[in-house]
Amino acid sequence: GEDVEQSLFLSVREGDSSVINCTYTDSSSTYLYWYKQEPGAGLQLLTYIFSNMDMKQDQRLTVLLNKKDKHLSLRIADTQTGDSAIYFCAESISFFSGGYNKLIFGAGTRLAVHP
Amino acid sequence: DVKVTQSSRYLVKRTGEKVFLECVQDMDHENMFWYRQDPGLGLRLIYFSYDVKMKEKGDIPEGYSVSREKKERFSLILESASTNQTSMYLCASSLSTGGATEAFFGQGTRLTVV
Repeated sequence: GEDVEQSLFLSVREGDSSVINCTYTDSSSTYLYWYKQEPGAGLQLLTYIFSNMDMKQDQRLTVLLNKKDKHLSLRIADTQTGDSAIYFCAESISFFSGGYNKLIFGAGTRLAVHP
Repeated sequence: DVKVTQSSRYLVKRTGEKVFLECVQDMDHENMFWYRQDPGLGLRLIYFSYDVKMKEKGDIPEGYSVSREKKERFSLILESASTNQTSMYLCASSLSTGGATEAFFGQGTRLTVV
């Protein structure tokens, strides 16, 4: 089945690193994504990783993928108050061989950054 | 800029009413999605469409239907609104590709059924 799980809350001090974790169940996922939702807004893509990669770095963001354990994490270095948001992990499931994909999202992790 | 526009930010409807939520995208995307977002449950897929007039049920289709008569427009219909359909509804669209695909989201419609 298709399921994505995340912890619901994370609180960090400004300047520290944040690590948000996610587990997924569908081993056929080709891409895994992190989306960010700021208050009152829709979701925006933050970063993604292809399933044959272990790590991807993009400025302050590091994505780690353990495909064997179906575990994905997002590390935010030097966390700032502007990083306070809900972070969603998502996996992409191919629907047809024609390339149609559907996204399955986790429940979202609310990151609170305090001074 | 890619834009996904949902027709209303806030809606209040009465129990039993038929409700239409409209979504329009301007990037010629094949795929369109309707999710509902509830605290602690995240985004749950209601329906998605991969082409005009094509639709597939998501995880929670009961009580909903959809319509996609034109590529740019995807409508969610609550046949007879009930209080347990009070939620935030998010529309999204994406390209069909063999690689990574970014889903673009609308701002959401907060529906309250009284």
